[in-house]
Amino acid sequence: DADVTQTPRNRITKTGKRIMLECSQTKGHDRMYWYRQDPGLGLRLIYYSFDVKDINKGEISDGYSVSRQAQAKFSLSLESAIPNQTALYFCATSEPDRGGYNEQFFGPGTRLTVL
Amino acid sequence: GENVEQHPSTLSVQEGDSAVIKCTYSDSASNYFPWYKQELGKRPQLIIDIRSNVGEKKDQRIAVTLNKTAKHFSLHITETQPEDSAVYFCAAGDDFGNEKLTFGTGTRLTIIP
Repeated sequence: DADVTQTPRNRITKTGKRIMLECSQTKGHDRMYWYRQDPGLGLRLIYYSFDVKDINKGEISDGYSVSRQAQAKFSLSLESAIPNQTALYFCATSEPDRGGYNEQFFGPGTRLTVL
Repeated sequence: GENVEQHPSTLSVQEGDSAVIKCTYSDSASNYFPWYKQELGKRPQLIIDIRSNVGEKKDQRIAVTLNKTAKHFSLHITETQPEDSAVYFCAAGDDFGNEKLTFGTGTRLTIIP
């Protein structure tokens, strides 16, 4: 089945380290998103990309950067990790239809802990 | 930008009873309102969505209602079952050049057997 995958699934790192989270999809979707989930705060958008040449900031992009290496790959980087970036990170994909919006398909998540 | 508020943050209901979760949004340009369910340790998955040209949509035991004038929409689950226990997120978005979703903060629904 076509899917969205994320690596690593769990990561513990130290303050100041550079971290990359990777997302791959076999759904053939053009649109990809990175969210972080914190208890009581829901899902907040970090960055999104509508195609390989398109990158957009979300509501909480400070401290993060992204790279869209191909239609199927979208990576999130933390250049210098800090403890308040400890969270569950989700990648998602979507493909709009003629009606506009369509379902977002989420990856399994990456649990990141910054000590 | 869009702001979505969701209430309550936690909800416990007896099995077989109904559950209602409410959301309000701020941007009148929003025209798409999905609901996602996240079971413990799993990824969020879409359970139902509604567009602004429709006031209500049903799918078996779940339904969503939309009041565009008041800028609020609600999820209704009838005849609740243990497998309905999860965190539910509402979201709002628009198709007019700002095609991203803003999510609510989530409601943890617990079904009491």
